[in-house]
This record gives sequence, structure tokens and C-alpha cells, in this order.
Amino acid sequence: QKEVEQNSGPLSVPEGAIASLNCTYSDRVSQSFFWYRQYSGKSPELIMSIYSNGDKEDGRFTAQLNKASQYVSLLIRDSQPSDSATYLCAVKDNQGGKLIFGQGTELSVKP
Amino acid sequence: DGGITQSPKYLFRKEGQNVTLSCEQNLNHDAMYWYRQDPGQGLRLIYYSQIVNDFQKGDIAEGYSVSREKKESFPLTVTSAQKNPTAFYLCASSIEAGLAPSSYNEQFFGPGTRLTVL
Repeated sequence: QKEVEQNSGPLSVPEGAIASLNCTYSDRVSQSFFWYRQYSGKSPELIMSIYSNGDKEDGRFTAQLNKASQYVSLLIRDSQPSDSATYLCAVKDNQGGKLIFGQGTELSVKP
Repeated sequence: DGGITQSPKYLFRKEGQNVTLSCEQNLNHDAMYWYRQDPGQGLRLIYYSQIVNDFQKGDIAEGYSVSREKKESFPLTVTSAQKNPTAFYLCASSIEAGLAPSSYNEQFFGPGTRLTVL
């Protein structure tokens, strides 16, 4: 059973701080990784994709991938109350192309 | 506007009834997916379709059925055999099936349908 693990939280950070969200996965051959943001009662929104080891930056978001250690993380700089949401990590299953989702980490940014 | 639409937004069903959830996309995407989300849980895959007239079971297909007669449409039927159907149902699509290991398979979601069994 291929798995994606996230700390369910809640993770609470003050406004302006860096929020760090982590995800580990079990399938060593996975090559595509995604972060989705889901506001309460809404559907997930894709915010970052990463395929190569290292960092990928997009605005205040940085995704980090370490395939040797089988983890992917998301950093949110200058966190805002509007960043308060659940963040879902997803990993592409190379057999069939499906995405396997973690259970999500709830982030709360306090003003 | 390009995107994925789901209807209805809210659906109430009596026990023993079948209901069909609609999912339409005008993104010209080949692949479409149905997920179920329960409170505090991640997404679980019900069915997916990589091409018209073909679909595969996901992890929790029992009690559900789908069809893919058109590229744009992937309706999901929740049958009376589904023991606990109350959940948030999400449809997604991706430009291609992502079968090649090097392909990315970014999936984009519709707004969802919240189903409640009375």
C-alpha cells in the first residue's frame, strides 16, 4: 500500500512568520509531487508542483523535494491570515498515473 | 470561461435511492477523476477515466458507478449499495493520464458536491 503521510496539525504560526509543512511518501520511484490548498468547505486548489530535487519558489511559496529521504515540504514565507487552510500533499503513483493524497495539515495563521 | 463544473452543489438523498452527480469540463482534458472526502480526511479515489469510453476502479469503487461517453463529461452515480454515502464529492481532470513516469499529471478540481443521506 503506497502511502503519503502528513502531520494533521493544527499548525499555528503568527502572522509574518514562516510556516513549514512536511510530507513523506513510501514509493521510492515517485517523480511528481504536488501541494494543494483547501479552504474550509471548498475544493482543493493546486498551488505548487515539483519534480526535481531541490527548491522551487513561487512568490511566498517554496516547495522542497528530497527524493533520497522521500520527503517533500512547503514553506510559506510572511504568512498571512488568508493562508489559514488545510494543505494537502499529493504524490503521483507511477503505476496508473493516479495521485495519492495525504490527509492534510491544517494551518492557522494568527494575526 | 474554462473550467470544471459540478452540479448540484448540495444534494439530499433518501436511503435506498440512487443519485447521479454531474461533472463537466471544457479544458479539453483527457483524464477525469472522482474523489470522496470525509470530514478531517484526505481524498480517496473512487473511479477514474483516462480516455473516452474507458474507466477504472479506484480505491473505494464499491457502491458507485460511472460512465465516460463524452470527453467533457464524467457523471458519478451513487447507488443504494453504498453504505455510507454522506460525503463531499470532488471531480478533477488532468490534461493527460500521466501514465509515463516522467509525466506530471497536474489535476484540477471542480467546486464539489456535498451529498447528505437523510
